[in-house]
Amino acid sequence: DVKVTQSSRYLVKRTGEKVFLECVQDMDHENMFWYRQDPGLGLRLIYFSYDVKMKEKGDIPEGYSVSREKKERFSLILESASTNQTSMYLCASRYGQVPKYEQYFGPGTRLTVT
Amino acid sequence: QQQVKQSPQSLIVQKGGIPIINCAYENTAFDYFPWYQQFPGKGPALLIAIRPDVSEKKEGRFTISFNKSAKQFSLHIMDSQPGDSATYFCAASITGGSEKLVFGKGTKLTVNP
Repeated sequence: DVKVTQSSRYLVKRTGEKVFLECVQDMDHENMFWYRQDPGLGLRLIYFSYDVKMKEKGDIPEGYSVSREKKERFSLILESASTNQTSMYLCASRYGQVPKYEQYFGPGTRLTVT
Repeated sequence: QQQVKQSPQSLIVQKGGIPIINCAYENTAFDYFPWYQQFPGKGPALLIAIRPDVSEKKEGRFTISFNKSAKQFSLHIMDSQPGDSATYFCAASITGGSEKLVFGKGTKLTVNP
């Protein structure tokens, strides 16, 4: 079974803090993704990575950065957390470059910025 | 051009009913249309997917209908059960193009006993 794990289920941070969200997958998938999920807005892609040290901006990259030093691990970084970054963050991974392969999602991290 | 419009936003049906969730797109280059199902507290998981060379695909109680000329596709759940209560997302992507899936905004389905 493919497993995508996220470091925290719930996280509370203060405005201005630097926040790290970690994601690990155990299936040797090339592609990894970070989304945020907000009510009424669905899933919006923040960043994705198709290889180690490679990254591409998604639809809403502002205020975020990512790091992929190892194939199995993809980190999302909020350089200076703001209240409008309060959201559910979902990590996903996928085998290969072709979209027909299933994306496997982690359980999500609910981040609250106060 | 890159949007997928999903409706309704929420849907309530009785057990045994047939909820229908609709999605529409503009970009005719889209050629892969998956549906993801998300239960509370879980990440989304692939439910069923279709390519535009077929008009219908069925897996168990779940059916995707695809209308290429209208640029619409829909999910039907036959004999719906309370365990089907979840949020459903349609999506679209282009084979050989960007690796990204474009998601609809989701439909929260409640099936009452």
